[in-house]
Amino acid sequence: GQNIDQPTEMTATEGAIVQINCTYQTSGFNGLFWYQQHAGEAPTFLSYNVLDGLEEKGRFSSFLSRSKGYSYLLLKELQMKDSASYLCAVMDSNYQLIWGAGTKLIIKP
Amino acid sequence: DTEVTQTPKHLVMGMTNKKSLKCEQHMGHRAMYWYKQKAKKPPELMFVYSYEKLSINESVPSRFSPECPNSSLLNLHLHALQPEDSALYLCASSQGTGHTDTQYFGPGTRLTVL
Repeated sequence: GQNIDQPTEMTATEGAIVQINCTYQTSGFNGLFWYQQHAGEAPTFLSYNVLDGLEEKGRFSSFLSRSKGYSYLLLKELQMKDSASYLCAVMDSNYQLIWGAGTKLIIKP
Repeated sequence: DTEVTQTPKHLVMGMTNKKSLKCEQHMGHRAMYWYKQKAKKPPELMFVYSYEKLSINESVPSRFSPECPNSSLLNLHLHALQPEDSALYLCASSQGTGHTDTQYFGPGTRLTVL
């Protein structure tokens, strides 16, 4: 079967750094996406990784290790507005997105 | 511009009503998607249109009927829904359906079935 695991909830402090992990087992791999979703709103695209390594985009970075079936999203200089759910999704061999359940990130002052 | 628009934002309907959800994008994307999302759950894929043809139907009940009038528009016709169909309905689009084709989501329609 196909499976994507993320922590259910994490808490961090404003101004700090947080790492959200995602492990996956899917039938095929055509890339991994991270989306941010604020409560009641649509998911917003953050990053895409298909090759091993780190992709940096401002305060957000995403890392992929295909051999380990592992990715993480790193958020630096946390702001209150970063409080949201972060969804990891893998594109499988049929080019369909397989979604993790999401990690709810709570930022405290 | 990565904007996908959806109307209405909110919809309340009875189990005997017929209503439609609308989605529009002007990015020249050739793939469009309908997802259903329940609270605290990830999006569930319902339908995929590629080049205006239905390419994926994830065993969705016939009370949901998709339509793609042209490459910019996607509708979801609703009829005889059940209270458990209450959810956030998300439309997304992407350039194609290949591995580098990021899906961009609209703001969603919050549907309540009474």
